[in-house]
Amino acid sequence: QVQLQESGPGLVKPSQTLSLSCTVSGGSIRSGSFYWSWIRQPAGKGLEWIGRIYTSGTTNYNPSLKSRVTISVDTSKNQFSLKLTSVTAADTAVYYCARAGVIPAAIWDWGQGTLVTVSS
Amino acid sequence: QSALTQPASVSGSPGQSITISCTGTSSDVGGFNYVSWYQQHPGTAPKLMIYDVTKRPSGISNRFSASKSGNTASLTISGLQPEDEADYYCTSYTSSSTFVFGTGTKVTVL
Repeated sequence: QVQLQESGPGLVKPSQTLSLSCTVSGGSIRSGSFYWSWIRQPAGKGLEWIGRIYTSGTTNYNPSLKSRVTISVDTSKNQFSLKLTSVTAADTAVYYCARAGVIPAAIWDWGQGTLVTVSS
Repeated sequence: QSALTQPASVSGSPGQSITISCTGTSSDVGGFNYVSWYQQHPGTAPKLMIYDVTKRPSGISNRFSASKSGNTASLTISGLQPEDEADYYCTSYTSSSTFVFGTGTKVTVL
């Protein structure tokens, strides 16, 4: 059973870069056909898909965030990461990392989520 | 990309059936059979309930069923139980090789 765990600063200042990592345990990030994904959820609001990276390094991003987002993979650490630049208060949310299938294209496994607050 | 449209809330009494709609466009829901549904209880991560429009993952009750017609997908919960009270989100693959979530529906068991 694959498990995912987010880690990173819980507080980021406006205009700075939000950086989170997701550690995958119980399986290799290189094995199988999966997309490693990031989703976020502002308090009391709905889910927003941020983007994904395939094991080959191919990425897809939410068009509304594309100019600020980078998702990368570090196979040596069995981790993948999210960087979101020029953050504002609107980026305050619980950030989830997740494992999604290629076919079927669904999100099968989720991390527990980590709250990131953007505030000075 | 615009969020898929779901009703804000749906309610029902124990034992009843309820249906949640998820409306998109021909570029997402209508264009692909990659609609999935997630259940989220407060303070927890979402849980996959339905994938590929109609399929249930192992361990998901057959009280949960789903379908799609045109640009609208639907999730039906039959024999409503107290533990079904949660938020439900649909999501669809899009023509831009991205995913888009629905606005979310709060299900209340009366």
